[in-house]
Amino acid sequence: GQQVQQSPSSLVLQEGENAELQCNFSSTATQLQWFYQSPGGSLVSLLSNPSGTKHTGRLTSTTVTKERRSSLHISSSQTTDSGTYLCAIDNTNTGKLTFGDGTVLTVKP
Amino acid sequence: GGIITQTPKFLIGQEGQKLTLKCQQNFNHDTMYWYRQDSGKGLRLIYYSITENDLQKGDLSEGYDASREKKSSFSLTVTSAQKNEMAVFLCASSWGGAETLYFGSGTRLTVL
Repeated sequence: GQQVQQSPSSLVLQEGENAELQCNFSSTATQLQWFYQSPGGSLVSLLSNPSGTKHTGRLTSTTVTKERRSSLHISSSQTTDSGTYLCAIDNTNTGKLTFGDGTVLTVKP
Repeated sequence: GGIITQTPKFLIGQEGQKLTLKCQQNFNHDTMYWYRQDSGKGLRLIYYSITENDLQKGDLSEGYDASREKKSSFSLTVTSAQKNEMAVFLCASSWGGAETLYFGSGTRLTVL
């Protein structure tokens, strides 16, 4: 089946630094989503980006479909960015997402 | 905006017990999902449903049953709870296909 590998598994930053999170996947993805999971556990979708580059606020995602990789760049990190970032892909167009294990981001004041 | 409500937030059961988790959404979404998240891991799909009374198995369906009695609700039953099933169970819904998924806040299962 599909596999999704995320790196690094954890990342510690000082407030104001930038973060670069990576997602590699084993098969062509028709859908790729980045999610944020708060320390309390709730999950929200950040970006949907199956190809190309997308921006929203301080987030930029770049997906290179042929190379089966995506990145999430967080600029000027804030303490409230702390949490787990999950990458998920779908190649069936059914919404059946396969998730990576996530990157745990800690931003220190 | 809509909301997804999962009940209960915490569920404690005995090994071998049958346990039911419930999920309600008011987005009027067609598709609903049940995912399981083990500690420190990503989510794995248990069941999904693209419409009322439809059920589709995910990668982790063994040991679980699901029921989509109406469009707004999707239930998951752990048929015989095991200690290695202790996890957070997350319900989600979407318009289907490649549309964004919206998640509930989860049910944490503990098996004694």
